[in-house]
Amino acid sequence: DAGVIQSPRHEVTEMGQEVTLRCKPISGHDYLFWYRQTMMRGLELLIYFNNNVPIDDSGMPEDRFSAKMPNASFSTLKIQPSEPRDSAVYFCASSLGRENTGELFFGEGSRLTVL
Amino acid sequence: GESVGLHLPTLSVQEGDNSIINCAYSNSASDYFIWYKQESGKGPQFIIDIRSNMDKRQGQRVTVLLNKTVKHLSLQIAATQPGDSAVYFCAENSFSGGYQKVTFGTGTKLQVIP
Repeated sequence: DAGVIQSPRHEVTEMGQEVTLRCKPISGHDYLFWYRQTMMRGLELLIYFNNNVPIDDSGMPEDRFSAKMPNASFSTLKIQPSEPRDSAVYFCASSLGRENTGELFFGEGSRLTVL
Repeated sequence: GESVGLHLPTLSVQEGDNSIINCAYSNSASDYFIWYKQESGKGPQFIIDIRSNMDKRQGQRVTVLLNKTVKHLSLQIAATQPGDSAVYFCAENSFSGGYQKVTFGTGTKLQVIP
């Protein structure tokens, strides 16, 4: 398996624009997590899914953020409208939940810069 | 942009020496504790985990110790190598309503001096 695949790797956009980040989890994994990493707040859990269903979105900062998982092999994180304070590296991770100890497999991240 | 950054604790270690990275956790109900390594420009990578009913677990060159009394977790790396230079995160895996949830600590930067 190629691992968790995220796109784009880098995105630079202007304030007010819509941003869509994409993630393909490892095949067969039933959990998918979205994290945001900044120098200010470290690694924050935004939302996670189990079997394509959102379980906990309490980490999503504002209504401008939304996430979907239409099927087991694809998820999106959307920011609309984007703001400079959304600049961060966004990570997607997946895991096999049954009796999992917490071993997550991360993608290489999407670095977002909002000007 | 951000004017104030999160100050990452930094541990500088001579190559060949042992490293000890510490972490304080908050949720005493967590079922597992995990250590991750993050190299520059990459996502975090799993190193080792320990179940909450254990005190110690050993892997290849790494040992994790868990002290539930003081909610403290440590990662020991034996014979530290330049390739160990990275940011290390502790994480907690808690199960709520039948679902696992993994949350991360702030991280420690390990610098290996050749």
